[in-house]
Amino acid sequence: GAVVSQHPSWVICKSGTSVKIECRSLDFQATTMFWYRQFPKQSLMLMATSNEGSKATYEQGVEKDKFLINHASLTLSTLTVTSAHPEDSSFYICSATGVGGTYYGYTFGSGTRLTVV
Amino acid sequence: LAKTTQPISMDSYEGQEVNITCSHNNIATNDYITWYQQFPSQGPRFIIQGYKTKVTNEVASLFIPADRKSSTLSLPRVSLSDTAVYYCLVGDIQKSGYSTLTFGKGTMLLVSP
Repeated sequence: GAVVSQHPSWVICKSGTSVKIECRSLDFQATTMFWYRQFPKQSLMLMATSNEGSKATYEQGVEKDKFLINHASLTLSTLTVTSAHPEDSSFYICSATGVGGTYYGYTFGSGTRLTVV
Repeated sequence: LAKTTQPISMDSYEGQEVNITCSHNNIATNDYITWYQQFPSQGPRFIIQGYKTKVTNEVASLFIPADRKSSTLSLPRVSLSDTAVYYCLVGDIQKSGYSTLTFGKGTMLLVSP
């Protein structure tokens, strides 16, 4: 139980375009979702936290106008990278916790590899 | 949030037992200790979680001393497929709200034939 599905697993886009990444909790209600970014050979860095129906809380240094997060339902959160640039190329991972989730609290998605060319 | 310190890397051979120790000197009373495994280009995968003493599941054991200022993940008889980065995280998962998980640098385990 407590599966988090992240889509797409990889995406290539042109510089200046926007990309949307979806994170779905398949069998539990994700009251809180987290979005991380991971650069090669580095650890996961938390970008933002979102509670269902509320505005996301962004970590210091993360541009909220560039990384739009929507958590409109208990099973879906989306991260939109607006006007993407090559420096936004990274591995993006979502995580969710909530009612009906795992006893250990947090389930991660499989990640999305974003390449901006 | 309690900060964690782990070795950057470890090497082992197939069939050996691997112990990865994590220091968390500032762990709070309500904090749990959770270990995740991450393969390249994949999301972290839960391994084991504990609060005190010893926890064992089908893939690993977790040893936590009485002062809880450290913990040791034990992987019995590792195989090549255990080559991955292992993260130790500390946080209060029982809160009615949420407790943000902060990832440290992790330990890169390389298992050789």
